[in-house]
Amino acid sequence: ELQLVQSGAEVRKPGESLKISCRASGDILRSNWISWVRQMPGKGLEWMGRIDLTDSDTKYNPSFQGHVTISTDDTVNSAFLHWSSLKPSDTAIYYCALTWRAFDSWGQGTLVTVSS
Amino acid sequence: AIQLTQSPSSLSASVGDRVTITCRASQGIANAIAWYQQKPGKVPKLLIYDASSLEDGVTSRFSGSGSGTDFTLTISSLQPEDFATYYCQQFNDYPWTFGQGTKVDIK
Repeated sequence: ELQLVQSGAEVRKPGESLKISCRASGDILRSNWISWVRQMPGKGLEWMGRIDLTDSDTKYNPSFQGHVTISTDDTVNSAFLHWSSLKPSDTAIYYCALTWRAFDSWGQGTLVTVSS
Repeated sequence: AIQLTQSPSSLSASVGDRVTITCRASQGIANAIAWYQQKPGKVPKLLIYDASSLEDGVTSRFSGSGSGTDFTLTISSLQPEDFATYYCQQFNDYPWTFGQGTKVDIK
């Protein structure tokens, strides 16, 4: 059975950098794609982008491109979401999801809080 | 970007009711749509993919239909565990987009 395990909650100040992770284990042969999804407090779901774990091919939502970087380390079946300069508006839960027929399996979510 | 508009945004229903949620796309997306359920404080769960295919392990109370621009998610007989927020999502074109969500609560 596939599991996506995300890194733990983070608290940062505005302007700081951050990298969160999503590690896939189990039956990942169905798909090599991992997507990232943002959910701001009390709001809906927003697709940020997806990456192919095997060749790092990446597609971004234009709304997030330039503010975040999605990367991968295929040796450990992991995807990463990186900010170089956080804003208070980045406060949200971030989910990774295995992308096969849809978003088939989800990580548990990483809460990122950005506050001075 | 393709916009998905769900209706209604919220609804109140009773256990046993038949519930229908609609998702309308701003342009044709063939059958490239999925539906998710999210309960408060929980991770979203895939219910339906390719507009009408039921995800493994999901109860057959849920069904999806539609193609082109108009899609529906139907819950045939609402159960207590079905009270949640439901989202549609399109995969036809980048950027992939979600509807704004439909909250189903208890009447």
